[in-house]
Amino acid sequence: KAGVTQTPRYLIKTRGQQVTLSCSPISGHRSVSWYQQTPGQGLQFLFEYFSETQRNKGNFPGRFSGRQFSNSRSEMNVSTLELGDSALYLCASSPPGGEDTQYFGPGTRLTVL
Amino acid sequence: GESVGLHLPTLSVQEGDNSIINCAYSNSASDYFIWYKQESGKGPQFIIDIRSNMDKRQGQRVTVLLNKTVKHLSLQIAATQPGDSAVYFCAENKGYSTLTFGKGTMLLVSP
Repeated sequence: KAGVTQTPRYLIKTRGQQVTLSCSPISGHRSVSWYQQTPGQGLQFLFEYFSETQRNKGNFPGRFSGRQFSNSRSEMNVSTLELGDSALYLCASSPPGGEDTQYFGPGTRLTVL
Repeated sequence: GESVGLHLPTLSVQEGDNSIINCAYSNSASDYFIWYKQESGKGPQFIIDIRSNMDKRQGQRVTVLLNKTVKHLSLQIAATQPGDSAVYFCAENKGYSTLTFGKGTMLLVSP
């Protein structure tokens, strides 16, 4: 079974731009979570989607948003990029009935110049 | 490769040694804990998990111990190999697929 895939793997943007990242969960997984990883703050939870609904949200500004499609694929969007948004953005999916266990993709490395 | 953390605690061991990585968690109400391994340039990889109704769980070459009294978790790796070199994170589940991660420990295994 294929793992979680994320596209693109690398992205360079400038301040003020917006960006959309994509995540395809493991087949059959309906829960998708997003995390931001930086050297200073470590891994921080952004939000989680299940059946196209956001169930939980971390402590990030409204510039960070997401959505989930009927096929469980998810996207996250960051608007008005800031230098501090440079990070590795990780997506994880969970199997039905096993929402505790999350399986991560390789991440998207975003650099904001 | 990508840096997953600056000034991480580092554990250096020789190949064949047993490694013990420790983690303190914050929420006494957490009932599910996971250890992840992250290699440079990759996402976190699931290693082993444990629920709060257990004190110990064993996998292949790995054992997780949970001490709820002092809110402490440890990961033991037997016969450590160079391929075990990575950053190891503990995570606690706070419900609805929300994981809170520790800062991580870098494990360096010398041949």
